[in-house]
Amino acid sequence: AQSVTQLDSQVPVFEEAPVELRCNYSSSVSVYLFWYVQYPNQGLQLLLKYLSGSTLVKGINGFEAEFNKSQTSFHLRKPSVHISDTAEYFCAVRKAAGNKLTFGGGTRVLVKP
Amino acid sequence: GAGVSQTPSNKVTEKGKYVELRCDPISGHTALYWYRQSLGQGPEFLIYFQGTGAADDSGLPNDRFFAVRPEGSVSTLKIQRTERGDSAVYLCASSLMAGGDSYEQYFGPGTRLTVT
Repeated sequence: AQSVTQLDSQVPVFEEAPVELRCNYSSSVSVYLFWYVQYPNQGLQLLLKYLSGSTLVKGINGFEAEFNKSQTSFHLRKPSVHISDTAEYFCAVRKAAGNKLTFGGGTRVLVKP
Repeated sequence: GAGVSQTPSNKVTEKGKYVELRCDPISGHTALYWYRQSLGQGPEFLIYFQGTGAADDSGLPNDRFFAVRPEGSVSTLKIQRTERGDSAVYLCASSLMAGGDSYEQYFGPGTRLTVT
């Protein structure tokens, strides 16, 4: 079975400052990795995904994440956040040969002016 | 185009009652997933359909939960004898096909179920 740990439940950050959201996973098989964002009263939206290849993955809205196999991590970063980035962010894994997503507990990002 | 829609958006029911939650996937998507998100937690997988059949129902917590997708499009999640612990947001997602590298799951806004 797979599991995902998001180390920070809440991250307050000032506008235009950088942010990093940490994600660690465990799995005995190859996995694909995902970051989703959930704005208030909306569904989950895919930010980016890692399937294979380059370990640095760029996504929408200026986000990027780096896959580190040795540390089993997939941390999400943005160099300069906006007020509109206030949301909850979920890291998820899926077995490469599977279908269902396993999510972490989420990190709530609050961007302050 | 239209995304995944879920109805109702909110449902309040009394303990012991039966509820049905509906999901309308993106047109043409053959795979459909149900997840449950309890307060303060990430979504947890319940069941997924490929076409009309339930390909994996390993996440259903007990036999009070059941889901159908009779025509391979709309799906209904059914909960019998609801309990307060069933209170959560129920999320539906669909993808063009199941598995594979590029088949992104698109999520609906969810149904918030409250059992009093």
